[in-house]
Amino acid sequence: QVHLVESGGGVVQPGRSLRLSCAVSGLSFSNYGMHWVRQAPGKGLEWVAIISIDGNEKYHADSVKGRFTISRDNSKNTLFLQMNSLRVEDTAVYYCAKGSRLPDSWGQGTLVIVSS
Amino acid sequence: DIQMTQSPSSLSASVGDRVTITCRASQDIRHDLGWYQQKPGKAPKRLIYAASSLQSGVPSRFSGSGSGTEFTLTISSLQPEDFATYYCLQHNNYPRTFGQGTKVEMK
Repeated sequence: QVHLVESGGGVVQPGRSLRLSCAVSGLSFSNYGMHWVRQAPGKGLEWVAIISIDGNEKYHADSVKGRFTISRDNSKNTLFLQMNSLRVEDTAVYYCAKGSRLPDSWGQGTLVIVSS
Repeated sequence: DIQMTQSPSSLSASVGDRVTITCRASQDIRHDLGWYQQKPGKAPKRLIYAASSLQSGVPSRFSGSGSGTEFTLTISSLQPEDFATYYCLQHNNYPRTFGQGTKVEMK
């Protein structure tokens, strides 16, 4: 059974950094592309980033481009999201999801609160 | 960027009702669309992929149709567990984009 567990969320001041992790089990992690998707409190889903199976191709939403970076460590079955220069509007639950094109399996999310 | 316009934003329905939700893409996305269900405090769950293919384990009362720029999610007979928010997501191009969501509430 596929299992995705996000970690690394918390409360952080504007302008600071945070790194999210997503530990994946129950599948051959290196065979799948991976996504980050976020959801601000009371709002809809927003796609954030995708990474290819080997990590060589990455795409980020315009709202995070230049500040966030998706990466992966296939030897540790782990996906990352490095978030720099955080803004109040980055406050959200961040989900990792498996899928080379369309996300299918999702983690339960980790909450990031950006506040002074 | 491809804009996904989802309608309605909310609807009230009763158990047994037929429910239809629409997503319009700002450009041709072929069949590159999925539908998701999300319940409060939970992660989204994929219902439909490739516009009309039913995800394994999803009840057959859910169906998807459409191609190009117009897509529909239909629930043929609404069940109590179907009250939730539904989203479409296009994967034709980057960035991926979601519709704004449709909240299905009990009448």
